[in-house]
Amino acid sequence: EPEVTQTPSHQVTQMGQEVILHCVPISNHLYFYWYRQILGQKVEFLVSFYNNEISEKSEIFDDQFSVERPDGSNFTLKIRSTKLEDSAMYFCASSSLRYTGELFFGEGSRLTVL
Amino acid sequence: AQTVTQSQPEMSVQEAETVTLSCTYDTSESNYYLFWYKQPPSRQMILVIRQEAYKQQNATENRFSVNFQKAAKSFSLKISDSQLGDTAMYFCAFTLTSGTYKYIFGTGTRLKVLA
Repeated sequence: EPEVTQTPSHQVTQMGQEVILHCVPISNHLYFYWYRQILGQKVEFLVSFYNNEISEKSEIFDDQFSVERPDGSNFTLKIRSTKLEDSAMYFCASSSLRYTGELFFGEGSRLTVL
Repeated sequence: AQTVTQSQPEMSVQEAETVTLSCTYDTSESNYYLFWYKQPPSRQMILVIRQEAYKQQNATENRFSVNFQKAAKSFSLKISDSQLGDTAMYFCAFTLTSGTYKYIFGTGTRLKVLA
């Protein structure tokens, strides 16, 4: 069964360092998302990506964040200069339809910023 | 702005019993979808059940059913004949049918099914 895969499963980094989180969405899906969950808090929307461009982003998704789909299969989230408050579980998701389609999530990448 | 609230951080239920997880939401829009997602320990989130706001009939998927009260903005999940494999974090989620790509999630309810 096709699934969304994310790497790394856990990354520890120093404050100020750049981090890239990788995702391989399901191959025939058209909509791609990044969400994050700070421990004990709600799952928060970061960004959606459709037709090779950002379709929507939240106020969390500031200039420190960027997304790319470099080769038609990978979907990456880059954090340029990590802050302590970026420590969270980051979830990638994809869907084939915009509204009625379910989101298919990866297992998440846990980011710890020291 | 839309919000989703899950007021039960943790619940437990005996195997084979029935449990209801609560979810309330706030929106001024009339067209939207509601979802329950399940996240087993160390696994990805998967869709449990979906409800279209324009449908009055409550959605049902095998042992999972919802009680959708549009006027009250309430969307609870009932799990019948609970099984050990139902142990997971359950998230209520919401999305509008136009104008946004964003799904809004609650903080989750951790459900433990006891043998």
